[in-house]
Amino acid sequence: GQQLNQSPQSMFIQEGEDVSMNCTSSSIFNTWLWYKQEPGEGPVLLIALYKAGELTSNGRLTAQFGITRKDSFLNISASIPSDVGIYFCAGLPNSGGSNYKLTFGKGTLLTVNP
Amino acid sequence: NAGVTQTPKFRILKIGQSMTLQCAQDMNHNYMYWYRQDPGMGLKLIYYSVGAGITDKGEVPNGYNVSRSTTEDFPLRLELAAPSQTSVYFCASSTAGIGALHFGNGTRLTVT
Repeated sequence: GQQLNQSPQSMFIQEGEDVSMNCTSSSIFNTWLWYKQEPGEGPVLLIALYKAGELTSNGRLTAQFGITRKDSFLNISASIPSDVGIYFCAGLPNSGGSNYKLTFGKGTLLTVNP
Repeated sequence: NAGVTQTPKFRILKIGQSMTLQCAQDMNHNYMYWYRQDPGMGLKLIYYSVGAGITDKGEVPNGYNVSRSTTEDFPLRLELAAPSQTSVYFCASSTAGIGALHFGNGTRLTVT
């Protein structure tokens, strides 16, 4: 099946720093999604991207759909302690199909030191 | 707004036992999914359903069964539990085939 390479696996940063993480694939995707999972809870959708080159913001979060359609980036500006969690990318392949073909990255564990 | 509700939150099973993980959603979503999450491995799709009476296998269906008799409920059945089924299980739903998945808070299952 499809595979997404998400990096970094973990990050330990100081409050106020900016954060960047990304997902790459050897295959083309036509939708990229970014989720955040807090301890003891299920993932929550942060940003959805549907078009190559698209840049979308949600508060301090900004995500981009790579031009090659094989990657996506998530940036968090001025991090705060409540940004702690696991961030997942997910993509739908260009071959079509619905959510049952959604592929998830392995996640980036973010720790913010106050 | 309850959203997606999963029960139980935690369960310990002995090898060979069976159990049903419950999932209910009150958003009238047609699409429902079961995922398992293992540490550092992301989410793997076990089974999904596109509507009442219709289910299909995902990436890792072996050892599991599902049913979808109503729009609201999508239980996951484990028969003959094995240690490899130790995981956190998430149920999710979506209004359409493409779009935001709404996840429950998970069931943490340990098989010993």
